Amino acid sequence: GAVVSQHPSWVICKSGTSVKIECRSLDFQATTMFWYRQFPKQSLMLMATSNEGSKATYEQGVEKDKFLINHASLTLSTLTVTSAHPEDSSFYICSAKAWVEATDTQYFGPGTRLTVL
Amino acid sequence: GENVEQHPSTLSVQEGDSAVIKCTYSDSASNYFPWYKQELGKRPQLIIDIRSNVGEKKDQRIAVTLNKTAKHFSLHITETQPEDSAVYFCAASRYRTSIQGAQKLVFGQGTRLTINP
Repeated sequence: GAVVSQHPSWVICKSGTSVKIECRSLDFQATTMFWYRQFPKQSLMLMATSNEGSKATYEQGVEKDKFLINHASLTLSTLTVTSAHPEDSSFYICSAKAWVEATDTQYFGPGTRLTVL
Repeated sequence: GENVEQHPSTLSVQEGDSAVIKCTYSDSASNYFPWYKQELGKRPQLIIDIRSNVGEKKDQRIAVTLNKTAKHFSLHITETQPEDSAVYFCAASRYRTSIQGAQKLVFGQGTRLTINP
């Protein structure tokens, strides 16, 4: 149980285009999902917290108009990188909160590697 | 806000020896401390977690200890094996006993553990 999927697993796009990444909880409902980005050999940096049915909460320094988050259902959250540029190239990982044994466990998706040319 | 410091950044041990990774946190209200293992290019996997009402938790070769007074917690891996080689992240958050909402995890910088055969 508690499986999180992401799609696509990797994407290459041209500078100026937009890219949408999907995060799905496959066997549980997730009222809250989190989006992270991870640069090579670095830690996970939280970008935003996505709550089902409401606006996402962005971390300081993350542009909400550039990284659009939609959490329209209890099993799906999407991250759209708008007008992507080479500096947006990174590994994007989502996680979903699972209610397991009364702990606030988060389970991670496999990540999406974005390369902007 | 919460700040988590993790040491060491790299750790190399002989197969069969023990490995210890330490983390300190700043927010005394944090009460949930998970540890994640991340292999190259893959998702972080939860390996063990501890709540603040417990001082130690063990799962086979892995154990975590928590010192609330000093605000630090440690991961202990005994009888290390080559497959233990990975990057390990500690994290801290305030968990809620509620399905609605979730507190974000603040991650340490990561420790690259190498097990030498």
